[in-house]
Amino acid sequence: ELKVEQNPLFLSMQEGKNYTIYCNYSTTSDRLYWYRQDPGKSLESLFVLLSNGAVKQEGRLMASLDTKARLSTLHITAAVHDLSATYFCAVDDYGQNFVFGPGTRLSVLP
Amino acid sequence: GAGVSQSPRYKVAKRGQDVALRCDPISGHVSLFWYQQALGQGPEFLTYFQNEAQLDKSGLPSDRFFAERPEGSVSTLKIQRTQQEDSAVYLCASSSRLAGANTDTQYFGPGTRLTVL
Repeated sequence: ELKVEQNPLFLSMQEGKNYTIYCNYSTTSDRLYWYRQDPGKSLESLFVLLSNGAVKQEGRLMASLDTKARLSTLHITAAVHDLSATYFCAVDDYGQNFVFGPGTRLSVLP
Repeated sequence: GAGVSQSPRYKVAKRGQDVALRCDPISGHVSLFWYQQALGQGPEFLTYFQNEAQLDKSGLPSDRFFAERPEGSVSTLKIQRTQQEDSAVYLCASSSRLAGANTDTQYFGPGTRLTVL
């Protein structure tokens, strides 16, 4: 059974600082997705990573995938308040569904 | 429409009542998924449709939960005899790809927040 973990679960950081969120998963997969969720809202797709070594960047966020280590990272550069949200990684289990991590709740403080 | 829509957005039910939640996927999307998201947790898979066929219902928590997609577009998730533990946000997602094929993410609707009193 595929298990997905995220670290940390809660993150409070100062504006302008850098930080990384980690997503580990338990079985072989080379398809990983990052989503953002604002309070009371649905999930917004951020990145789609479909191969080992894939790296995607959008603004202050950069995501990467290491399928051998079964690890994806979401790196935040020079955080701003607008990035405050919950970030989920989801792994495609080659079946019909995604398995989501528990989420990382990010708060960016002024 | 431009995205996945769900209705109602909020539903309050008394314990024991039946509820029906509706999902309109992105036009032309073959795959449709239902997830349950408890407060402070990630979405958990309930069931999956490819067109009108329900190919996986392994995530449905009990036989009180039933989903259908009779014409391969709109889907309804029905919960019979609701219990307090059914309180959650129910998310619908659609995708243009078939299971096992490459690319494309799942696009999520706004969800239905169900509260069972």
